[in-house]
Amino acid sequence: AQSVSQHNHHVILSEAASLELGCNYSYGGTVNLFWYVQYPGQHLQLLLKYFSGDPLVKGIKGFEAEFIKSKFSFNLRKPSVQWSDTAEYFCAVNIYSGAGSYQLTFGKGTKLSVIP
Amino acid sequence: DAGVIQSPRHEVTEMGQEVTLRCKPISGHDYLFWYRQTMMRGLELLIYFNNNVPIDDSGMPEDRFSAKMPNASFSTLKIQPSEPRDSAVYFCASRSTGTGNTIYFGEGSWLTVV
Repeated sequence: AQSVSQHNHHVILSEAASLELGCNYSYGGTVNLFWYVQYPGQHLQLLLKYFSGDPLVKGIKGFEAEFIKSKFSFNLRKPSVQWSDTAEYFCAVNIYSGAGSYQLTFGKGTKLSVIP
Repeated sequence: DAGVIQSPRHEVTEMGQEVTLRCKPISGHDYLFWYRQTMMRGLELLIYFNNNVPIDDSGMPEDRFSAKMPNASFSTLKIQPSEPRDSAVYFCASRSTGTGNTIYFGEGSWLTVV
């Protein structure tokens, strides 16, 4: 069965530090990749997505992610974090399983705490 | 555009009571998903519908849980009887193939069973 791994459970950074959150998936076929963000007490919001084309995807709020097919990875990056980036980040992989059926699998999430 | 609308936003109920969570997907979306989020297990897919038909309910924890989608604009998730371990945030989400498979989440129903 396909799986999504987010290696860091909790990351603590100071403001202006650079961020990289890891995401790896296990599936050899065509995938759609997503990063969602969940601010404290709120619902999941789409940060960015990759379907095809340029493997470097830019999202909202200065976030970007790079799809490296050979490594089955889709790491999230931001060059300089802000206190307002404190949230939980979820990587998700949408896999087409045929006959119009998709299966979206989420990672366990990474909590990011940014210290002023 | 209105997003995915869920109700109630918060519910506290006693063990043994029936709980019904409601969801209105984004108009035109043909897929609807119910997720549960807890600290211990993270985000779990419970069930999803395509064109109002349940496609995969393998994530439904047990027979106490049931979900229906009587029409394209409404779905319910019912727990009967509820137990304290059902306490979680329940998210409804929807998408359309036309949106490039992007799922949009509602704001969640925060359920506490005491």
